[in-house]
Amino acid sequence: DAGITQSPRHKVTETGTPVTLRCHQTENHRYMYWYRQDPGHGLRLIHYSYGVKDTDKGEVSDGYSVSRSKTEDFLLTLESATSSQTSVYFCAIGGSGRSETQYFGPGTRLLVL
Amino acid sequence: AQKITQTQPGMFVQEKEAVTLDCTYDTSDQSYGLFWYKQPSSGEMIFLIYQGSYDEQNATEGRYSLNFQKARKSANLVISASQLGDSAMYFCAMREVNAGGTSYGKLTFGQGTILTVHP
Repeated sequence: DAGITQSPRHKVTETGTPVTLRCHQTENHRYMYWYRQDPGHGLRLIHYSYGVKDTDKGEVSDGYSVSRSKTEDFLLTLESATSSQTSVYFCAIGGSGRSETQYFGPGTRLLVL
Repeated sequence: AQKITQTQPGMFVQEKEAVTLDCTYDTSDQSYGLFWYKQPSSGEMIFLIYQGSYDEQNATEGRYSLNFQKARKSANLVISASQLGDSAMYFCAMREVNAGGTSYGKLTFGQGTILTVHP
């Protein structure tokens, strides 16, 4: 199994509060991703990183920011959480090469009340 | 823009039988990769199989095979000899690959198909 951990694994928060989710990898991989999973939508890309301090937006980036100061850590921040951001968040690594597989972390369940 | 369509919200299969999960895709790119992932009720995403757009042979991984029909833009997953543990959500995904053979690895997912295996 790819060494990917996410913290916290579960979080309940209130509308308007900031939230930071952490993804940590031990594979020293250059590429990291944040997806959200919602019923009827599959997984959708929020942000991705192709190196330390190199990040870019995905399909559903509004309301989210990311940072990557070290190869092993990729942080996702909800500046002011809204109920529409209630979701399961997955971090992933890998997948930059032609046939390279992308591996996923265990996910974080976030409930915004 | 890329798009993945999984038209079967739910599928049922008898244990030990084979089942096909449908996936169609839309892209204007010539080079791309297709993936299938399994998500059991525990929630983790498990990689199953990969097919490259230039691969001449259909991919196989144990009981999983990918029926790749490029002209029809379909990449169906075939599970042979279904087991109770195959009950899960299955996602088809596509990755664009640029002309240089690398990409940022971004995946586009379908909505998923819930497979239920009956004893």
